[in-house]
Amino acid sequence: DQQVKQNSPSLSVQEGRISILNCDYTNSMFDYFLWYKKYPAEGPTFLISISSIKDKNEDGRFTVFLNKSAKHLSLHIVPSQPGDSAVYFCAASANFGNEKLTFGTGTRLTIIP
Amino acid sequence: KAGVTQTPRYLIKTRGQQVTLSCSPISGHRSVSWYQQTPGQGLQFLFEYFSETQRNKGNFPGRFSGRQFSNSRSEMNVSTLELGDSALYLCASRLTGTVYSGANVLTFGAGSRLTVL
Repeated sequence: DQQVKQNSPSLSVQEGRISILNCDYTNSMFDYFLWYKKYPAEGPTFLISISSIKDKNEDGRFTVFLNKSAKHLSLHIVPSQPGDSAVYFCAASANFGNEKLTFGTGTRLTIIP
Repeated sequence: KAGVTQTPRYLIKTRGQQVTLSCSPISGHRSVSWYQQTPGQGLQFLFEYFSETQRNKGNFPGRFSGRQFSNSRSEMNVSTLELGDSALYLCASRLTGTVYSGANVLTFGAGSRLTVL
């Protein structure tokens, strides 16, 4: 049972435009959500997080939005740059973020110069 | 500050053999988690150790086991290897902290790529 779903395996975006990556979850106990970015031959690196007490969190070009009623979160990257080309994983945790992280299957983002 | 170190980075085994992978967490991090990454499956949780105790376990067969030492270093072992065990095995560490703490963010190593022939 996939509790965290990323339904788009891949996404291509023109450089300078907005990239929007989506993630859905089914477990209502999840209260802490994270995005990780992964380049080939490297481990995932933490990008941005959001707790269930917020609906938006920004960090530079990256913004995460959380819609608890829809059990949906999204990552916006503006403007997209070639270095953003990577696989992006959505992850969720319960118990105020202290439980194990459950990951989605990832979305491969390609930025077209 | 050194990151999470995993050894070996690459290894090839044959079916039926066993393998041990090692992970050194970031200094001061007491929690170590292991994940398996395969194409199309994302990162599947194997187990988490905290202060030498297994805190949580994923849905993997008993052939997958792990342990944590007093210095927080961790090892995972896979016995009786199968072709389907070919994957990237990722180790991650974190402080574990208070509510919605940045300490709860996992920091990953580069992984150990296991190929089973």
